[in-house]
Amino acid sequence: SQQGEEDPQALSIQEGENATMNCSYKTSINNLQWYRQNSGRGLVHLILIRSNEREKHSGRLRVTLDTSKKSSSLLITASRAADTASYFCATDAGSWGKLQFGAGTQVVVTP
Amino acid sequence: GAVVSQHPSRVICKSGTSVKIECRSLDFQATTMFWYRQFPKQSLMLMATSNEGSKATYEQGVEKDKFLINHASLTLSTLTVTSAHPEDSSFYICSARDSPGETQYFGPGTRLLVL
Repeated sequence: SQQGEEDPQALSIQEGENATMNCSYKTSINNLQWYRQNSGRGLVHLILIRSNEREKHSGRLRVTLDTSKKSSSLLITASRAADTASYFCATDAGSWGKLQFGAGTQVVVTP
Repeated sequence: GAVVSQHPSRVICKSGTSVKIECRSLDFQATTMFWYRQFPKQSLMLMATSNEGSKATYEQGVEKDKFLINHASLTLSTLTVTSAHPEDSSFYICSARDSPGETQYFGPGTRLLVL
């Protein structure tokens, strides 16, 4: 079953704008990971944020985690056409390190 | 980041044949590998967890006799789809990590089409 719910399902923006997507989950987690997937390709790891962390940055990416609300957000600043992809959050909640994926947010960035 | 490869990237086979997909961690030792399945425009569904040297753990609803998993070394796991049928057509993706709680790195995926 999918633990994560992502919002919005789809997002269309212009180059230079910021894109924000949210992920909510149901159980306590060890960490939460964000991935990007281009159509028909594998997943590219973006950021891992642990349960004791509140915010992480990587280049134009900013991830927040609110464990009290069981939610996370991914912000892409100054978006580019190359950011067009599906973005997934995945939670690691058990001892085996299995990831439960959200439904994903499809982001389209137009030039 | 770490590199995980999959082979083949794409396979077309006749109904009733078996197909083997390889997943390799190229620059780290993967104590655990995971196999996922993804239908078009949907998210990834975990099929099984593969631990080196032990039997795979399958998720509920996944037939272990249908999807055979072997994790013979710290860098290689294989998924064999036995007696494949058209409904097995899907995108199969593996991931690997070197220790619990750490980043999982994904392979590029294998697109299986069963005619």
